Amino acid sequence: GAGVSQSPSNKVTEKGKDVELRCDPISGHTALYWYRQSLGQGLEFLIYFQGNSAPDKSGLPSDRFSAERTGGSVSTLTIQRTQQEDSAVYLCASSLGHQETQYFGPGTRLLVL
Amino acid sequence: TQLLEQSPQFLSIQEGENLTVYCNSSSVFSSLQWYRQEPGEGPVLLVTVVTGGEVKKLKRLTFQFGDARKDSSLHITAAQTGDTGLYLCAARYGNKLVFGAGTILRVKS
Repeated sequence: GAGVSQSPSNKVTEKGKDVELRCDPISGHTALYWYRQSLGQGLEFLIYFQGNSAPDKSGLPSDRFSAERTGGSVSTLTIQRTQQEDSAVYLCASSLGHQETQYFGPGTRLLVL
Repeated sequence: TQLLEQSPQFLSIQEGENLTVYCNSSSVFSSLQWYRQEPGEGPVLLVTVVTGGEVKKLKRLTFQFGDARKDSSLHITAAQTGDTGLYLCAARYGNKLVFGAGTILRVKS
């Protein structure tokens, strides 16, 4: 079956512009996670969606970052007024439920010039 | 300060050699996971260890969870070029997984 997909695979933008990153989770998975991976760093948790519950936004680094999950499926991570330090790989993962195995997408490589 | 410290950061070895990578913390965890990540891909779960002192084997890979559930190791026997990648340990912390910075393994032929 299809795994987690993310788009675009690569994004180059200019400082100050807004970007939207998309994640299509595995069908039927109720939990969805966003992580950020910088060079030489492990994955940094950003946000977690579980069913219809309020998302856990505790990992978002600033109010320039936001995420939505529409209809319990597709999710969009939005970064407003991008900064050079936002350059990283943004990974999405989904799982059947809370604390189940997470399956990761290939990531979106964001470069802010 | 990282909750999970991984060592070494980078390892370059010849095919056929053995190696061990470590994941250490001052915190106690109910479980710990190991992932492998290849360039351009997301991490893929290799194993979850849940019991202190537990040893799990996956072909040439041996995973151990420390008795106190604060640390773990991954041992690879007779490394192959296909083992090349980034190895990450992770532990559940509330709703999220907390990851170490990873060990980059390069196996040369």
